[in-house]
Amino acid sequence: DAGITQSPRHKVTETGTPVTLRCHQTENHRYMYWYRQDPGHGLRLIHYSYGVKDTDKGEVSDGYSVSRSKTEDFLLTLESATSSQTSVYFCAISAGTVNYGYTFGSGTRLTVV
Amino acid sequence: TQLLEQSPQFLSIQEGENLTVYCNSSSVFSSLQWYRQEPGEGPVLLVTVVTGGEVKKLKRLTFQFGDARKDSSLHITAAQPGDTGLYLCARDTGNQFYFGTGTSLTVIP
Repeated sequence: DAGITQSPRHKVTETGTPVTLRCHQTENHRYMYWYRQDPGHGLRLIHYSYGVKDTDKGEVSDGYSVSRSKTEDFLLTLESATSSQTSVYFCAISAGTVNYGYTFGSGTRLTVV
Repeated sequence: TQLLEQSPQFLSIQEGENLTVYCNSSSVFSSLQWYRQEPGEGPVLLVTVVTGGEVKKLKRLTFQFGDARKDSSLHITAAQPGDTGLYLCARDTGNQFYFGTGTSLTVIP
């Protein structure tokens, strides 16, 4: 009954290659977020979206871009992957902002070699 | 930087023991959420607290929001192995939530 799915679940890529991660939701929520999780840093916001074609930068947006052409899909692109972008990436959705919880996907483990 | 400090960073206890983990900030926040994350999965929302001094209970878990709205605690009574996981607090910053680095809890049977 997952209302949010991420693909792929695992990916290994080479330094310098572009990579796109996909987040798909079936909840029709307005807000979508991309976080990365690293040991010692917790979850850090990369980009978020508050509607179709409406996106904004988060805390660690350098080297990443996003697109949201449909309510249900939020894409995260690493233009030219670097080893520092090896991480676990989580997508989250929310019906609102304050007082609304996030529903997270199961994550994508990305390794850049 | 919207700093959120969680303590302890790691906690290992025996089944049946009680424990408290903490989430502290130097600034006031309007609401705070607690999540639990199991290995290989995304965080799952446990509770949202919005009022200073608020206490919420979820079975054996008790969440408290500090009177000054700068801190929160999570108390678990009679911990069970199923409570094992990473506990994250998150504060709102207007458009999104900022997460602490978490407390990793291991409950040993």
